[in-house]
Amino acid sequence: AQSVSQHNHHVILSEAASLELGCNYSYGGTVNLFWYVQYPGQHLQLLLKYFSGDPLVKGIKGFEAEFIKSKFSFNLRKPSVQWSDTAEYFCAVNDAGTASKLTFGTGTRLQVTL
Amino acid sequence: DTAVSQTPKYLVTQMGNDKSIKCEQNLGHDTMYWYKQDSKKFLKIMFSYNNKELIINETVPNRFSPKSPDKAHLNLHINSLELGDSAVYFCASSQRVKNIQYFGAGTRLSVL
Repeated sequence: AQSVSQHNHHVILSEAASLELGCNYSYGGTVNLFWYVQYPGQHLQLLLKYFSGDPLVKGIKGFEAEFIKSKFSFNLRKPSVQWSDTAEYFCAVNDAGTASKLTFGTGTRLQVTL
Repeated sequence: DTAVSQTPKYLVTQMGNDKSIKCEQNLGHDTMYWYKQDSKKFLKIMFSYNNKELIINETVPNRFSPKSPDKAHLNLHINSLELGDSAVYFCASSQRVKNIQYFGAGTRLSVL
């Protein structure tokens, strides 16, 4: 079975600070990896995804993530956060072969202060 | 046009009642899902249908019954509602091969 760990539960940053949110997964097979964002009161939106190829993927709104296979990690980064980045961030994984259900991490709440 | 739409957005009801949540997608996807997000924001898959066929059925009480009349619709019916059913329920859809899932806005269910 797959599992996803997000160790940062609540992160508070000032505007313009750099961001890195950790994500580790546990699964023996080949995976697809995702980061979703949920702004307050809204639905989940896809930030970025990794299926194969270049392990450094770029997403929307200046976010990027790096897949490090040896560490089973897919950390999310942004060099300079904005107040509008305040949201809940979810890492998710699924089996690349069956490409079925997503297993989500418990989420990281990011609060950006002015 | 909203890609994945759920109705209602809010649902407040008494314990013991039966309620339904509807989901429709206009993306032409062949797979649809129901997820439950609890009060701690944890998201967990409940069901998945591919071309009207149930393909994922996690450990969910049988009071929850999904129904897919066609591949653009996946409804969730809940019998004998309990306090613990209070949560936000998200519908999602994907084209199974790619499996980028698109989510609806959620239905906030409050059981009193």
